Amino acid sequence: DAKTTQPNSMESNEEEPVHLPCNHSTISGTDYIHWYRQLPSQGPEYVIHGLTSNVNNRMASLAIAEDRKSSTLILHRATLRDAAVYYCILRLYENTGNQFYFGTGTSLTVIP
Amino acid sequence: DTEVTQTPKHLVMGMTNKKSLKCEQHMGHRAMYWYKQKAKKPPELMFVYSYEKLSINESVPSRFSPECPNSSLLNLHLHALQPEDSALYLCASSQSQGPNTGELFFGEGSRLTVL
Repeated sequence: DAKTTQPNSMESNEEEPVHLPCNHSTISGTDYIHWYRQLPSQGPEYVIHGLTSNVNNRMASLAIAEDRKSSTLILHRATLRDAAVYYCILRLYENTGNQFYFGTGTSLTVIP
Repeated sequence: DTEVTQTPKHLVMGMTNKKSLKCEQHMGHRAMYWYKQKAKKPPELMFVYSYEKLSINESVPSRFSPECPNSSLLNLHLHALQPEDSALYLCASSQSQGPNTGELFFGEGSRLTVL
């Protein structure tokens, strides 16, 4: 199974940008990179996903390395509500369907 | 309606009990998933249903028995569980199982305690 590795924890000051890295060296050509976040006592929440090109949405940006072996989730201005565990996930597609495998996650602390 | 609803939110059961977890979505999604999450660990994939058929079973013990009665409903039947099966069980859905499917939508989970 393709896997992702992430730092266990990161800190950021409120209203500053945050760059959350993810390594996925075993990624294959058809694997999508997804990011989700999970607040305490809640299910994971979708943040963003991409295949090759950088992606932007209202929540964040996703920067994907040219060789696709790493990616970075960018929160442009961290707020206290962004404190969560952020998971980098590879979505594998096979003839049996999609499989979403979670990485170990990065716990983000936002300092007021 | 963009919600995945899981019931019950909390369940306590003995090792000889039989119980079920329920998951419902009304987004017209055709793929549904069960994940298991232990404390301070990432979710682990258990089962995937595509168009009401079981497509992936991640070598889950038979004491966990999934069922998909229709495209909106997913059950997880529990029997003869062990204390180490205590965890948060998460249900998710996605539009399809095709290569261009988008994101997963998760429920808030059912927290299971096995005594």
